[in-house]
Amino acid sequence: QSVLTQPPSASGTPGQRVTISCSGRSSNIGSNTVNWYQHFPGTAPKLLIYRNYQRPSGVPDRFSGSKSGTSASLAINGLQSEDEADYYCAAWDDSLNGHWVFGGGTKLTVL
Amino acid sequence: QVQLKESGPGLVRPSQTLSLTCTVSGASITSGGYYWNWIRQPAGKGLEWIGRIYTSGGTNYNPSLKSRVTITIDMSRNQFSLKLTSVTAADTAVYFCARDYKFDPWGQGILVTISS
Repeated sequence: QSVLTQPPSASGTPGQRVTISCSGRSSNIGSNTVNWYQHFPGTAPKLLIYRNYQRPSGVPDRFSGSKSGTSASLAINGLQSEDEADYYCAAWDDSLNGHWVFGGGTKLTVL
Repeated sequence: QVQLKESGPGLVRPSQTLSLTCTVSGASITSGGYYWNWIRQPAGKGLEWIGRIYTSGGTNYNPSLKSRVTITIDMSRNQFSLKLTSVTAADTAVYFCARDYKFDPWGQGILVTISS
């Protein structure tokens, strides 16, 4: 059972906008920033969003992040077939001397 | 461009100690004031943070693994390492190393199977 809660799956058609939610608590998302990762199985995860909404260079602006209270969201605009992957959120949790926690991951299917 | 690569045995016997090394290339492990992480992913499951080490040697561990984990750093070799003791089948996973709070970049990952 992951500390951060994500929907196990999401889907959309090419060109659509899709959002993936990440729900936590006051000790993690409520107090700290959120990162998002894209993961194609068998490869290294890739940083998509850091500090809630910051995009590393090279990440298309189709990807955006937001945070409100104890929840965060990743939005993908103009969905493309190559976006089909697993997506994970992560945040620092202040409890128990502090540790990083992840969401369980969301498998995005492009229909 | 900084690159990370994990290395170590792909098979470990139950109750033994899992030992992995992450080699950093393209930059000194001491530059930038970063910390260095270990993360794992059991088959079919999500990501789990194992712990991190600063170049000062300070560490933080996942509370659920803390009693079994040790992370060390060897600045002369530009490497940091993971030791996980008393392993069981539940520790079978792909193990990744990653840099700093962004977890960027990641190593390619190494599959470690716990089996007799």
